[in-house]
Amino acid sequence: NAGVMQNPRHLVRRRGQEARLRCSPVKGHSHVYWYRQLPEEGLKFMVYLQKENIIDESGMPKERFSAEFPKEGPSILRIQQVVRGDSAAYFCASSESSGGHNEQFFGPGTRLTVL
Amino acid sequence: AQSVTQLDSQVPVFEEAPVELRCNYSSSVSVYLFWYVQYPNQGLQLLLKYLSGSTLVKGINGFEAEFNKSQTSFHLRKPSVHISDTAEYFCAVILNAGGTSYGKLTFGQGTILTVHP
Repeated sequence: NAGVMQNPRHLVRRRGQEARLRCSPVKGHSHVYWYRQLPEEGLKFMVYLQKENIIDESGMPKERFSAEFPKEGPSILRIQQVVRGDSAAYFCASSESSGGHNEQFFGPGTRLTVL
Repeated sequence: AQSVTQLDSQVPVFEEAPVELRCNYSSSVSVYLFWYVQYPNQGLQLLLKYLSGSTLVKGINGFEAEFNKSQTSFHLRKPSVHISDTAEYFCAVILNAGGTSYGKLTFGQGTILTVHP
């Protein structure tokens, strides 16, 4: 019974490079959320996706960040031209349906370090 | 917009002592309430949730929380803690907006619980 998988677990990038973070939801879940945990801050919502659709990206920076959840394959959070301020833990969560009462299952996170 | 305040950033306690982690929220509409635990270098695990009904909610690992609507609080309690409870705890809310509700969690800043032998 695989839970939410995220890879890589740790990612090191130099300033200006691209970072690609992958999230495979629980089997059968079609709703994915991305959250970011910055040092000394709590977790902040970034984006909510259903299969092939972005539903809410209100928490995602307007530039350099993008997310997708294709029909086949994992959800991808992409950060272009990374800067030191992007260093954080990025968590993905999935749920079976969209209702707020549904439990979200979290992955172990990807810890991004920008040198 | 909703917000969540966890009043204590760090709570040290001795093993077998009781503990309470405080959480207050602010929202113009009703909310669902959650407590998550995060062990070092791991993801979040749901401890318990309040959706409706009884205001006293029991969760995993012996934790419970009480929803107090008048005080807009959802404090987490455990009568006797173990060393293994050392972790960071997050209170979170989701707007209960009926058919348009979805799982966009708003988190508090977190409380680091440290249990000493």
